[in-house]
Amino acid sequence: EAQVTQNPRYLITVTGKKLTVTCSQNMNHEYMSWYRQDPGLGLRQIYYSMNVEVTDKGDVPEGYKVSRKEKRNFPLILESPSPNQTSLYFCASSPRTDTQYFGPGTRLTVL
Amino acid sequence: KQEVTQIPAALSVPEGENLVLNCSFTDSAIYNLQWFRQDPGKGLTSLLLIQSSQREQTSGRLNASLDKSSGRSTLYIAASQPGDSATYLCAPTETSYGKLTFGQGTILTVHP
Repeated sequence: EAQVTQNPRYLITVTGKKLTVTCSQNMNHEYMSWYRQDPGLGLRQIYYSMNVEVTDKGDVPEGYKVSRKEKRNFPLILESPSPNQTSLYFCASSPRTDTQYFGPGTRLTVL
Repeated sequence: KQEVTQIPAALSVPEGENLVLNCSFTDSAIYNLQWFRQDPGKGLTSLLLIQSSQREQTSGRLNASLDKSSGRSTLYIAASQPGDSATYLCAPTETSYGKLTFGQGTILTVHP
């Protein structure tokens, strides 16, 4: 089944404790992105990747890192999480400018 | 910077009604536009994608239109059902690498 998977689905952590949210797609898509969704602010792009080893900042990249060492994986790294990074995170992939497929989301709470 | 507005913010209708959701965007230089559905606490499901060269796209009871020059898109839902209750999001793709800019969404409730 074609899908985008994210892990973990739920995470509660404390300020400053490094964490990684994984994202994997099995559709051989070139493009992958991370978005965060916040009430009143909607969905905003954090980082994107056009292919292996090619990544760039989206609209709200502060406090996040990403890597794209393999085509299928695009992890989101929070080196020192803060409470303002409490949010619902989505990973997405697509074959260039075509239909984007979203993962199920990761709900992160930073205390 | 692309800005996307969706009207209405919320809509409550009885089952069986036909309805229209509106989306407007400020920058008409888009590659395509997608309509998504989001159920509470869940991920996004792509409903329709309209390429910039197209005027409309249909899937079952859904029909989406695009007027790129005026920066508008509409999603038409025919014969609405309670299972259509969800948040509907409009998102134009503004770059070659597929960056989406989302509207705030329309919360649709279809009651039996």
